[in-house]
Amino acid sequence: NAGVTQTPKFRVLKTGQSMTLLCAQDMNHEYMYWYRQDPGMGLRLIHYSVGEGTTAKGEVPDGYNVSRLKKQNFLLGLESAAPSQTSVYFCASKKARTTDEQFFGPGTRLTVL
Amino acid sequence: EDKVVQSPLSLVVHEGDTVTLNCSYEVTNFRSLLWYKQEKKAPTFLFMLTSSGIEKKSGRLSSILDKKELFSILNITATQTGDSAIYLCAVEGPWGAQKLVFGQGTRLTINP
Repeated sequence: NAGVTQTPKFRVLKTGQSMTLLCAQDMNHEYMYWYRQDPGMGLRLIHYSVGEGTTAKGEVPDGYNVSRLKKQNFLLGLESAAPSQTSVYFCASKKARTTDEQFFGPGTRLTVL
Repeated sequence: EDKVVQSPLSLVVHEGDTVTLNCSYEVTNFRSLLWYKQEKKAPTFLFMLTSSGIEKKSGRLSSILDKKELFSILNITATQTGDSAIYLCAVEGPWGAQKLVFGQGTRLTINP
């Protein structure tokens, strides 16, 4: 099992450009999450999904969109990148409602110039 | 507003020392508290606590929860340089998909 994987690992964008981050999990987990991590602020939830075809807003959703067309994939999109979106992005997944541990991917470091 | 606060934010000790990391929370309808260790990349799960006063232990690491005073501690005894990491505390409430609210993290550095 590869667990949770993320692509790309690093990316540099110019202000106004768009991009999509891909998260994939091979554990047949129902729940998937996107977080961003900034220095001194821990992890903050951007969007999440409780199953294929569903998405919901987290704590800091502005400027991001997501899609979960397949159960194993969760995409995070930035339509018009801003310097404030410079961060490390983590994807996580969880098996089901009755389990608590979230498994994290290795992260994507994004810099917006 | 739901909130998780960790202290200290940064800690530097010598190998062999014992450290205690703190996590306090204000969460409506608390469900569980989780500790993660983050080295260079992805956070990895350490403990999940749901009941007060029951210590969870794994090798030199242990953790306990106090639901009355709304805090948890993570103890590491006989620290080693490999314990150097950011330790994250997160709390889960009954919101929707069991979302986690994270604290800021404690950066622990163990010097040889």
